Amino acid sequence: GESVGLHLPTLSVQEGDNSIINCAYSNSASDYFIWYKQESGKGPQFIIDIRSNMDKRQGQRVTVLLNKTVKHLSLQIAATQPGDSAVYFCAENRGRDDKIIFGKGTRLHILP
Amino acid sequence: NAGVTQTPKFRVLKTGQSMTLLCAQDMNHEYMYWYRQDPGMGLRLIHYSVGEGTTAKGEVPDGYNVSRLKKQNFLLGLESAAPSQTSVYFCASTDRVYNQPQHFGDGTRLSIL
Repeated sequence: GESVGLHLPTLSVQEGDNSIINCAYSNSASDYFIWYKQESGKGPQFIIDIRSNMDKRQGQRVTVLLNKTVKHLSLQIAATQPGDSAVYFCAENRGRDDKIIFGKGTRLHILP
Repeated sequence: NAGVTQTPKFRVLKTGQSMTLLCAQDMNHEYMYWYRQDPGMGLRLIHYSVGEGTTAKGEVPDGYNVSRLKKQNFLLGLESAAPSQTSVYFCASTDRVYNQPQHFGDGTRLSIL
């Protein structure tokens, strides 16, 4: 089965609130993690990434947190906007393998 | 800057027909990938290539073949299409796997009747 997964398939958030999307991974050898955003009818778009030697990384309105102790990854989106409505995937690279493994995705739904 | 371009965007096939999906990237990337995405599932790797002239199997390679004759192009072939291959197909490329995200095309929506 999938070793990269998400705790919630659908997340509904009020516009303006912060969103937190979670992801679990099972392989302690994974050392590179990526978050992608996929809008309807489009391909996945890179949001932010983090290496295993980091606990936190910030971008524009997004923050990724990595907890290696419990093998957990989260994506925080500040002041969620209607344009944030999409499916979000986490992905992991295991020990610098030639490929990455994707989770099944979480759909973020923005409430007006 | 086109990035990753997939053609065609849509296609309907009959069972048993063959076709080739084309992926082209203009970023001089070494690595290229073909994924399929089905409802309720994440992206599953079909085949990939770590450089011109090389290919390797991914998670779900059966029923598909690939070729990487030129560095910028990665072709995915269906020799005898089956309804189970109805899916959205995505191509991606990257300069390297570690510390470098993949860049995706906008997909090919394929229906097999």
